[in-house]
Amino acid sequence: DAKTTQPTSMDCAEGRAANLPCNHSTISGNEYVYWYRQIHSQGPQYIIHGLKNNETNEMASLIITEDRKSSTLILPHATLRDTAVYYCIVRVATTGNQFYFGTGTSLTVIP
Amino acid sequence: DAMVIQNPRYQVTQFGKPVTLSCSQTLNHNVMYWYQQKSSQAPKLLFHYYDKDFNNEADTPDNFQSRRPNTSFCFLDIRSPGLGDAAMYLCATQSPYDANEKLFFGSGTQLSVL
Repeated sequence: DAKTTQPTSMDCAEGRAANLPCNHSTISGNEYVYWYRQIHSQGPQYIIHGLKNNETNEMASLIITEDRKSSTLILPHATLRDTAVYYCIVRVATTGNQFYFGTGTSLTVIP
Repeated sequence: DAMVIQNPRYQVTQFGKPVTLSCSQTLNHNVMYWYQQKSSQAPKLLFHYYDKDFNNEADTPDNFQSRRPNTSFCFLDIRSPGLGDAAMYLCATQSPYDANEKLFFGSGTQLSVL
């Protein structure tokens, strides 16, 4: 699976959009981009995933560049409860194909 | 209605004393994973089961073993815990019928080694 690069940490003001970038320049055509987050002392939680089209669900939006070498997770109106570590993972979507977590971005939402 | 349950939440063991961590699921998922997460680090995959097929990661120490007696349960055995094995241990499940291929995690067991 392709490797990902994320900033170590970011801050965001409460109520503003949080934009978390991820670089995956070696992504293959059949690899999806997944985002998970981990709130302190809990297990990671699925947020969203996509292949090449932009995706939106009740939690977030995922914007994937046309060349698929990078993506951005957008939390449209960040709240204090969104403070967490956000992991970007690239993998082939095959059951039993592993999820390898990178270092992630620690997002702090500031009141 | 917890779906992936890990017991206990906190476990203390002594150096060299075998310890078993347990994970159960009510989702009937085929795949179960064990991750190790040390303080301020990302979760690291130890191994996973696809049904009864066991898949070990190449860099998982022999000190770590796993058992899956049935679909619902999976155990992590640490035969001789060292101080470096103190970590959060996370169990996750996955279904091949889930179009999103997403993982469902338990809350983890925090292991301390004295």
